[in-house]
Amino acid sequence: QKEVEQNSGPLSVPEGAIASLNCTYSDRGSQSFFWYRQYSGKSPELIMSIYSNGDKEDGRFTAQLNKASQYVSLLIRDSQPSDSATYLCAVNPRYSSASKIIFGSGTRLSIRP
Amino acid sequence: AAGVIQSPRHLIKEKRETATLKCYPIPRHDTVYWYQQGPGQDPQFLISFYEKMQSDKGSIPDRFSAQQFSDYHSELNMSSLELGDSALYFCASSAKSTPGEDNGYTFGSGTRLTVV
Repeated sequence: QKEVEQNSGPLSVPEGAIASLNCTYSDRGSQSFFWYRQYSGKSPELIMSIYSNGDKEDGRFTAQLNKASQYVSLLIRDSQPSDSATYLCAVNPRYSSASKIIFGSGTRLSIRP
Repeated sequence: AAGVIQSPRHLIKEKRETATLKCYPIPRHDTVYWYQQGPGQDPQFLISFYEKMQSDKGSIPDRFSAQQFSDYHSELNMSSLELGDSALYFCASSAKSTPGEDNGYTFGSGTRLTVV
């Protein structure tokens, strides 16, 4: 079992709709959770970070964390073609003595006009 | 705002050659991380440095070594290059030894290494 699991997609969403991306993690004691967006051939770009159970909203993005279910999600409202990218879920596992974060394999999101 | 600077952007080497990748973190960031990302794969953690000391080690081959210098820039040295080393190599930096509230990493633009 991978430490961070995501559906690889592709996830196709019509423009203007809500895109929902999901991620599960294996270490129950994980502390920090991140969503990165990566365009092909480019570096990952931090979209959201979340540390407490519940929702965290930033513009069109909402991150949701449920530590009991070991589940973190990202909602993108009013999806735009520019949102088409790979979204990487990343987790800072409790056992890490330093600060390395573990990435999931990413979900490819495609916004269709 | 200043970002993480990586050089070179592209590098082509032959098998068994050596390569050195450089990373300049965001000013006042004290932690540097190196990741390798193969085609269609997620970034794999290689190694990290905090205050010029190695802080964590991941799946870094013995042929690779890295260090962080007094000005906090870091270099990844890769020897006896193999075809399988062809990948994007990302450097990231953060302001604390552990990602905290509103931290997370900031990635550089990466170095694309091609081994032929």
